[in-house]
Amino acid sequence: GAVVSQHPSWVICKSGTSVKIECRSLDFQATTMFWYRQFPKQSLMLMATSNEGSKATYEQGVEKDKFLINHASLTLSTLTVTSAHPEDSSFYICSARPGRANVLTFGAGSRLTVL
Amino acid sequence: QQPVQSPQAVILREGEDAVINCSSSKALYSVHWYRQKHGEAPVFLMILLKGGEQKGHEKISASFNEKKQQSSLYLTASQLSYSGTYFCGTDPKAAGNKLTFGGGTRVLVKP
Repeated sequence: GAVVSQHPSWVICKSGTSVKIECRSLDFQATTMFWYRQFPKQSLMLMATSNEGSKATYEQGVEKDKFLINHASLTLSTLTVTSAHPEDSSFYICSARPGRANVLTFGAGSRLTVL
Repeated sequence: QQPVQSPQAVILREGEDAVINCSSSKALYSVHWYRQKHGEAPVFLMILLKGGEQKGHEKISASFNEKKQQSSLYLTASQLSYSGTYFCGTDPKAAGNKLTFGGGTRVLVKP
């Protein structure tokens, strides 16, 4: 089946530093990828839609300059959390649609802890 | 607009049944159901597209009402492996590709 790989699985960083999370579609091409954020015991909140070769579309309330998204190829999207602060600590999950069906395949997620 | 899921949590004994509901104020194009285990990514269970549709896999099934504003997920003769948080994801647009997830229902199946 379709696989979405996310790296790293977890990262701990100091406040003020930037962290990059990679999302790869391993056996299919994804012109669109979705980035979600999930706080403990809460739902998945869509942050942005990553579009290959063009700018990402951000959801209301999500800071574009803080969460930089780059979708440089049909199999890779990256999310960079710039100048991370403790309130950015969360579980970040990417997803993509492997086929025509509107079914999302999720990456394993990346747990970010900002000290 | 985020769909409303209920109940927020349910505890079952192995073999018991449960129903999880997902409601929207507007008609939907589709409803997706996912299950997430602690610390893991959500896993797709099923998608419903048509009003009045019902589908299932083994002992987990789902329905989509005629007005396409409510979906229910049925856990029948629950197994320990059914434990996790269930999310419904809704897509309000025919050509849309963004899912909005409900608040989740935490299910714990005990022996």
